[in-house]
Amino acid sequence: NAGVTQTPKFQVLKTGQSMTLQCAQDMNHNSMYWYRQDPGMGLRLIYYSASEGTTDKGEVPNGYNVSRLNKREFSLRLESAAPSQTSVYFCASRIITGNTIYFGEGSWLTVV
Amino acid sequence: GNSVTQMEGPVTLSEEAFLTINCTYTATGYPSLFWYVQYPGEGLQLLLKATKADDKGSNKGFEATYRKETTSFHLEKGSVQVSDSAVYFCALGFRRDDKIIFGKGTRLHILP
Repeated sequence: NAGVTQTPKFQVLKTGQSMTLQCAQDMNHNSMYWYRQDPGMGLRLIYYSASEGTTDKGEVPNGYNVSRLNKREFSLRLESAAPSQTSVYFCASRIITGNTIYFGEGSWLTVV
Repeated sequence: GNSVTQMEGPVTLSEEAFLTINCTYTATGYPSLFWYVQYPGEGLQLLLKATKADDKGSNKGFEATYRKETTSFHLEKGSVQVSDSAVYFCALGFRRDDKIIFGKGTRLHILP
C-alpha cells in the first residue's frame, strides 16, 4: 500500500545547483501538492495541481517550478538552489471531493 | 482571508495527564476541519476530522468538536501516553477550493 511516494529522501546541494524532487501517488487522486516545512513556520504551500495538466502557485512559489507529468506524478524543480531553500519538502494528494489530504514521508534538502 | 491559529508549543505533560491543544480558525463559509499528526521523521497523517458544525471527530482516544459559534476545533485526550509525543497540526479546507490551510503546528512532549 504505497500511497504517496517521494524521492529522494535526503539530498545535499551546492548553491546554484539544480535538482528535481519526484512524487507519485497510486490512489487515483486528482489533486497534488508540494509543501515545505520550516521550524516555526509550519507547512507552506509551494504549488498545487488540481488535475492533470493544471498547476497553480501557492504561498511561496518563488525559486520553484512544477510539472504534473500525468495523473500519478507531480515533480518539483529547483533551478538554482539557494540556502533559503534548505527545508523539508512534502508531497501530498487528495481526492478532490474527499477533502482528506495524504502526505508522503518527506524529502530533507540541504543547500550549502 | 482564511487562516488557522493554534497554541504555540512545545507542550510538555506527564504520562496520563489530560491534553488540550487549542485551535481557532477564520474562514469565509463553512470549512471542514482537521487535525494531522507528525511523528518524528515522518510525514503528516490524518488524526481526525469534522465536516460541519457540532460534529465531533475522534480517533486513538483523541477528540475535537467543530464549534461554529467560537470558530474553534480544540484537540483533547483524556490520558496521554509517551507514544503521543509528536507535532500536531490543525487545518481547514473547502470542497470548492483545492487548498488546505495548516496552522504552524504544536509540538507535544510526554514524559514517562
